[in-house]
Amino acid sequence: AQSVSQHNHHVILSEAASLELGCNYSYGGTVNLFWYVQYPGQHLQLLLKYFSGDPLVKGIKGFEAEFIKSKFSFNLRKPSVQWSDTAEYFCAVNQGSGTYKYIFGTGTRLKVLA
Amino acid sequence: DTAVSQTPKYLVTQMGNDKSIKCEQNLGHDTMYWYKQDSKKFLKIMFSYNNKELIINETVPNRFSPKSPDKAHLNLHINSLELGDSAVYFCASSQASGMGLPLHFGNGTRLTVT
Repeated sequence: AQSVSQHNHHVILSEAASLELGCNYSYGGTVNLFWYVQYPGQHLQLLLKYFSGDPLVKGIKGFEAEFIKSKFSFNLRKPSVQWSDTAEYFCAVNQGSGTYKYIFGTGTRLKVLA
Repeated sequence: DTAVSQTPKYLVTQMGNDKSIKCEQNLGHDTMYWYKQDSKKFLKIMFSYNNKELIINETVPNRFSPKSPDKAHLNLHINSLELGDSAVYFCASSQASGMGLPLHFGNGTRLTVT
């Protein structure tokens, strides 16, 4: 069955530190990839998405992610985090055209210390 | 203008009761979803409707019954509530059915069963 793994469950960083959150998926075919952020007490919001083309995608709030097909990975990065980035981050995969199911990873809780 | 709205935001009830959660989207999307987020923040898909037709029905107890009167609404009715049903339930929608476009989430309904 298709699955999504996020290896970092909890990450604590100081402000201005660089961030990289890992995401690996198990499906070998065409995929659409997403990163969502959930601020405390709020709903999930889309940070960025990858469908095709340039494997390095840029999202909102200075986030970017790189799709590496050979590694089945879609890691999220930010060069310099801020206290306001404290949130839960979810990677999600959709198998593309004709499929409706979005599979989410277990999430990574990021805490940024001021 | 709220794109995906859920009511109620909080729901506290006793075991054995029956309750409903309502969801409406004004984005003109074709597909709507119900996700359950447990206490560990794990997001699990429950149901999906495309143009009022049930297309995803995961391993969910029969006590849960979705209903979609039209493509802008997807409600969730839960019979004989159990302690384990306590969670946050998120409604979501997406455009262009099956094309893997991003999900848009509602603000969630926190259900507490006592």
